[in-house]
Amino acid sequence: NAGVTQTPKFQVLKTGQSMTLQCAQDMNHEYMSWYRQDPGMGLRLIHYSVGAGITDQGEVPNGYNVSRSTTEDFPLRLLSAAPSQTSVYFCASSYRTVRSPLHFGNGTRLTVT
Amino acid sequence: AQSVTQLGSHVSVSEGALVLLRCNYSSSVPPYLFWYVQYPNQGLQLLLKYTSAATLVKGINGFEAEFKKSETSFHLTKPSAHMSDAAEYFCAVRAPMSNFGNEKLTFGTGTRLTIIP
Repeated sequence: NAGVTQTPKFQVLKTGQSMTLQCAQDMNHEYMSWYRQDPGMGLRLIHYSVGAGITDQGEVPNGYNVSRSTTEDFPLRLLSAAPSQTSVYFCASSYRTVRSPLHFGNGTRLTVT
Repeated sequence: AQSVTQLGSHVSVSEGALVLLRCNYSSSVPPYLFWYVQYPNQGLQLLLKYTSAATLVKGINGFEAEFKKSETSFHLTKPSAHMSDAAEYFCAVRAPMSNFGNEKLTFGTGTRLTIIP
């Protein structure tokens, strides 16, 4: 049982480069989300999705794009990387009820130079 | 809007002592509350959750939390700390709202727990 799988685990980008962080889950969860974790700031929601074809912005969406073409996959795209996007990124999924806890991937550590 | 406040970004306790990590929430509707633990270089794992059943919730690794509506609190406790409890702990709230996206989970800023041998 894989759960939530994120790739890559580590990435270094130069300012202005673009890339896609991958996230896949095998639990048939409707809800998927992306968070970034920065020291002293906890986890902040970037984007989320409640099903294929349905996405919305979280607290800190600027500079990021998402799409959801299947239930299983929810990639996060950085359009033009900036040093302020240096962070640890977590993908999480759950059933679409408020009682359902989120299941997290192991994270992607991104450095933008 | 919902929010979570965790008092104390760093807490140190001696091995064998009581662990108390504080969490206060704000929500305009009855919330669902969660505690997560994060070990170094790992993702977040669910410790326990409150979903409007019993107000005293037991979780994994001997942790428990009590929901107190009058105090808007959901503090995490463990009677006797173990070295393996050293980690970062996050309180989170998920509250139903009427509009699209009512499943959003809002986190506190975390408390780093250090265990002193």
